[in-house]
Parts: sequence; C-alpha cells; structure tokens
Amino acid sequence: EPEVTQTPSHQVTQMGQEVILRCVPISNHLYFYWYRQILGQKVEFLVSFYNNEISEKSEIFDDQFSVERPDGSNFTLKIRSTKLEDSAMYFCASSEEPGLAGETQYFGPGTRLLVL
Amino acid sequence: GEDVEQSLFLSVREGDSSVINCTYTDSSSTYLYWYKQEPGAGLQLLTYIFSNMDMKQDQRLTVLLNKKDKHLSLRIADTQTGDSAIYFCAEYQTGANNLFFGTGTRLTVIP
Repeated sequence: EPEVTQTPSHQVTQMGQEVILRCVPISNHLYFYWYRQILGQKVEFLVSFYNNEISEKSEIFDDQFSVERPDGSNFTLKIRSTKLEDSAMYFCASSEEPGLAGETQYFGPGTRLLVL
Repeated sequence: GEDVEQSLFLSVREGDSSVINCTYTDSSSTYLYWYKQEPGAGLQLLTYIFSNMDMKQDQRLTVLLNKKDKHLSLRIADTQTGDSAIYFCAEYQTGANNLFFGTGTRLTVIP
C-alpha cells in the first residue's frame, strides 16, 4: 500500500542552524501539507502546497519557513534559523484532490526535531 | 475560529467497548476524521465520515455524527491492548483546505 515517507526520523540541531525536513508524498497525490505537533499539544497546520505553490499557510508559517518541491517526488520543509520553540514532531501529509473524498490526508511517520 | 475538543484520557478493560467523543464548532465541515497515534509513531488514518452521514461502521469501529450538536464519536468494539494509543479527531473545511485537530484522547486498555 502506498505511503508517505519522511526523513530523517530524528534530527538534533543547534539554535540558529538551518534544517531541511524531507518528505516523499504518495505518488499520484497532488496536495502536500506540513503539520507540527509540539510535545503534548495539538497537531497544528503549517502549510499546504499545490501546483508548485503555497495554497494556504497558518500564522506559524512565518518567514523562517519555506517549502519546496525540488523534483517530481520530494517535498521539503526548510527552517532557516531554528529556535528552541521549533522543537516538535513535523508531519508531512498528502492528498489527491479535494472533492470526491480527496480531502483525506495521509500522514507520514514524522520527523522529531530537537533544537538545543 | 475552529475549535475541536476531546477529553484527554479514557481507560477501559480489554474486551469492553470504548467510546471516544469529540466536539467541533464549524458547521461547514465536510469531512470528519479519526486518526490513531501510537507512542512515538505517526498519524494513522482510521476512518472518516462525510458530513451528510449519521453513522459509518468499519469492522470494530463505529463512527456516529450528530451534526445538530456538532458531536462526533468513535466506538471501538471488543477493545484490545493493541488499541492503546492517542486518538485524534480532525475536521476538514473546504475553504481552508486543511485539517483542524482535536487535543487527542489517550486510550489505555487494561488487560
């Protein structure tokens, strides 16, 4: 069964460093998402991406964040200068196309980011 | 704004039924989802219900939707120790094109 994959599973970084989190969405999906879950808190939406551009973004997704689809399979989240409060589990998700139950989003296993 | 609420904890004995409840505030929700998160793992899609349905059954899982009260529940029949996890309800709104998650309910199954 097709699934969303994410790498790395864990990343530890120093405050101020740049990190890139990688995702490979399900191959026939068109919409891609990043969510994050700070330890013990809700899963929060960051950004959605369609047709090579950002579709929606939340208040959390400020100028420190960027997303890219560098090739036909990868979808990346970059944090330019990490802060302590960026420590969280970051989930990638993908879906087909809204309508016809295409809203169903399938999540990857997550990348646990720890900023020291 | 959107607000999805769940009780934080639920304990049941193995073999009993579990009922996990969720309330949401946005009546424009089109789909409502249940995801399962095991310790240290990602979000596994369990089931979903379209907003024009009242009930959906999938093996041991039964989803009930009361649109008037904006209340969603997930019933797990014959709960097993492997069902111990955090269960998240989430609503999808067409205009927003993203999911809004509840706080998650930690289900503990006692052998």
